[in-house]
Amino acid sequence: EVQLVETGGGLVQPGRSLKLSCVASGFTFSSYWMYWIRQAPGKGLEWVSSINTDGGSTYYPDSVKGRFTISRDNAENTVYLQMNSLRSEDTATYYCARGTMINWGQGVMVTVSS
Amino acid sequence: DIVMTQGALPNPVPSGESASITCQSSKSLLHSNGKTYLNWYLQRPGQSPQLLIYWMSTRASGVSDRFSGSGSGTDFTLKISSVEAEDVGVYYCQQFLEYPLTFGSGTKLEIK
Repeated sequence: EVQLVETGGGLVQPGRSLKLSCVASGFTFSSYWMYWIRQAPGKGLEWVSSINTDGGSTYYPDSVKGRFTISRDNAENTVYLQMNSLRSEDTATYYCARGTMINWGQGVMVTVSS
Repeated sequence: DIVMTQGALPNPVPSGESASITCQSSKSLLHSNGKTYLNWYLQRPGQSPQLLIYWMSTRASGVSDRFSGSGSGTDFTLKISSVEAEDVGVYYCQQFLEYPLTFGSGTKLEIK
């Protein structure tokens, strides 16, 4: 069974950093692109970042480019999202997903507030 | 950026009736490989989104055959035949053709 488990969320002050992790199981992790998608409270879905199978290519929307960094450790079956210079508008539930978003994790809440 | 525009449903939809959700993209999602890079997702209340349809018309594994996807390069439809209580939630279309990946704003389905 495919499982994606996100951790690392919480309450953080504006301007500070947070690192999310997503541990994968049930599939050959190193064969799949991985994604982070977020959903602000009561709002729709927003793609946040993508990483290819070996971590050599990464993609971001303008809203997080230069502040967020996606990475992966194929030996640990884990994808990360390092979030720096956090803003109130980054408050959301963050989901990781595999492949063409075939499977999603349960999500982790990030709240940016003073 | 490719803008995805979703239509609304005439909620609530009577149980057992069909429902069609529309989605329009600001650019053709037809790739040179012949595939159309359009996904559909359902987010049930309190749950994570789940993939229903990829490449515009291919059902994801385990998805009921009551769900079907169709369309052209820029106009798409998700049809749910004989809606059931478990179909309640918000449906999103998403383009996978180019970055930035973009989603529609969502279409809510309620059942009567």
